[in-house]
This record gives sequence, structure tokens and C-alpha cells, in this order.
Amino acid sequence: KAGVTQTPRYLIKTRGQQVTLSCSPISGHRSVSWYQQTPGQGLQFLFEYFSETQRNKGNFPGRFSGRQFSNSRSEMNVSTLELGDSALYLCASSLSPGTGNTIYFGEGSWLTVV
Amino acid sequence: KNQVEQSPQSLIILEGKNCTLQCNYTVSPFSNLRWYKQDTGRGPVSLTIMTFSENTKSNGRYTATLDADTKQSSLHITASQLSDSASYICVVSPGNNRLAFGKGNQVVVIP
Repeated sequence: KAGVTQTPRYLIKTRGQQVTLSCSPISGHRSVSWYQQTPGQGLQFLFEYFSETQRNKGNFPGRFSGRQFSNSRSEMNVSTLELGDSALYLCASSLSPGTGNTIYFGEGSWLTVV
Repeated sequence: KNQVEQSPQSLIILEGKNCTLQCNYTVSPFSNLRWYKQDTGRGPVSLTIMTFSENTKSNGRYTATLDADTKQSSLHITASQLSDSASYICVVSPGNNRLAFGKGNQVVVIP
């Protein structure tokens, strides 16, 4: 059974550009969440989707957005990139949003903004 | 304010030795607590998940304990191996689907 797949794994962008990251959850998982991870801050929650609907959103500016498709695949977009957006972006999936479900993380997308 | 505090922030241990990582939380209400292992450059991998009624849970050489009264958890690594070098992240669920993450314990195992 394939795990959570994130693409691309590495990317470099310049300030002001925008970026789209993709996440394919484990087959059968309908809940997808996104996190930003930086050395100083640890994992920061971005948003969570279930059945194409955003259920929760973290404290990030509106430049960060996401969506989920009918096949549960998800994308997140960051517009007008800033240097501080350089981070590892992790996607995680679970069967449903229930707190008892194990959350499985992908390998992440390393974004460097120059 | 971070509701999950982990200590020590980092530690170095000799291969074959044991170590214990601490996680204190103020998250309320409490649903469950998870420990994840994250190798450098990789995504976190679940080690254990414990609910309110569980005191101990093991996964191979990893043993997690939970004291829900004092809101403390520990992760004990027995007979450490070089592959145990990683960040160990404590994650607490308050039951409303918003997980609270610790910043991790960075463990380095040296031969």
C-alpha cells in the first residue's frame, strides 16, 4: 500500500513568485492536513481538508491556500513568496478527521525561497 | 504559547545506552498523545499512540509512558542504535482535531 506522496520533493523559488505543492493521500484516506516545519518553530498547522471541505485553518496569512479534490488529493499554494516561507511542507493523511486515527505523513516538500 | 514542551531539546548518547525523553503538556481536554520519529530530511513516522486510560505502550525498543494526572509522557529508548538518531516529536490531541505539537527532542547516537 503506497504511503502519502508529495511532489515536488525539492524546489527553489524567488521572492514574489508563487508555488503549488501536491499531496496524494494513502488510498482510502479522505482527510488531508498540511504543516509547515522550520528548525526554530517545529511543526505548524496550516489547514485540514475532508471531503473537499476545509475543516480547520491555522494562523497563516491568506497567501497560503489549499484545496482538496474529489479523489482526496490535495494541493496547497503559496503566493507572493517571502524568504521566511523557506521550510519543509508536510502533508499528512488519515481515514477521517477523528482524533483516534493515526496520521501518516509524507516525506515533505523542501521549499527554498531566494 | 506552546502547550507541549519537550526536554531535553537535544542529547548525545553512546550506542547501546538507554535514554529517556520527556513531554509535558497543558492541552485540555485530552484525547490522546502520540510520539513520532523523524529522520533528517524525512517525514515523521508514528511510534505510539496512547489514550487517557493507557499508561504504557511499547513499539520494539521504544516504550512510551503516560501520566494523564500530571500531564506528562516519556519515551524510553532501550539499547540505542545509530539508526535511532532522529528528532522525536510529542503530539497531543485535545479532541477537537487540532493537534498540539512539541518542538521535538533531537537525539544523536554515536558509536
